[in-house]
Amino acid sequence: DSGVTQTPKHLITATGQRVTLRCSPRSGDLSVYWYQQSLDQGLQFLIQYYNGEERAKGNILERFSAQQFPDLHSELNLSSLELGDSALYFCASSPRTGLATGYEQYFGPGTRLTVT
Amino acid sequence: AQSVTQLDSQVPVFEEAPVELRCNYSSSVSVYLFWYVQYPNQGLQLLLKYLSGSTLVKGINGFEAEFNKSQTSFHLRKPSVHISDTAEYFCAVSDAAGGGNKLTFGTGTQLKVEL
Repeated sequence: DSGVTQTPKHLITATGQRVTLRCSPRSGDLSVYWYQQSLDQGLQFLIQYYNGEERAKGNILERFSAQQFPDLHSELNLSSLELGDSALYFCASSPRTGLATGYEQYFGPGTRLTVT
Repeated sequence: AQSVTQLDSQVPVFEEAPVELRCNYSSSVSVYLFWYVQYPNQGLQLLLKYLSGSTLVKGINGFEAEFNKSQTSFHLRKPSVHISDTAEYFCAVSDAAGGGNKLTFGTGTQLKVEL
């Protein structure tokens, strides 16, 4: 158990819908990261937040957005869902970021999203 | 931009045999390297990391990896595998561009341990 929690575990929804994935980082960790894992794209970095502020962005679609709240939990919002958005979405956390890089990330169990 | 290449998509091996999973990276900045393992229907678990110092790093479950700067490699090894090591293994490099800390992953190597 990494200490990172994600809800829900599974999500099945229809095309065009909007969903929210939730992540709670390990106690004390300030950074939260979101990754997408799919068969064709592999593991792709989406976005990073540090202490409530966006710190880095990957190939995140405009239909996707995220935020980190004052209690440090984070939500990933996916809208206008398409079949191709079906994937495993992982959240990870780490204690520090910025110039002091290299700190490992601890991953949650993931949310499996199925778009039908 | 940093990248990671895992040369083998699948590696079959018999139980108690040694194994090496290969990883090559490209990076224009200081390198921080990681190996993660993913068991079926689970998240990624950190096996080991290289941040600095000794080029031979030891991780959990008897795994170790060697950082080789001249060959830009970070191969994962285990002297004797167990059936429970069957999983997917990902090599990753930390990218600090822009002040963030994202991980760039390889495509993964499926290790299948057979009796």
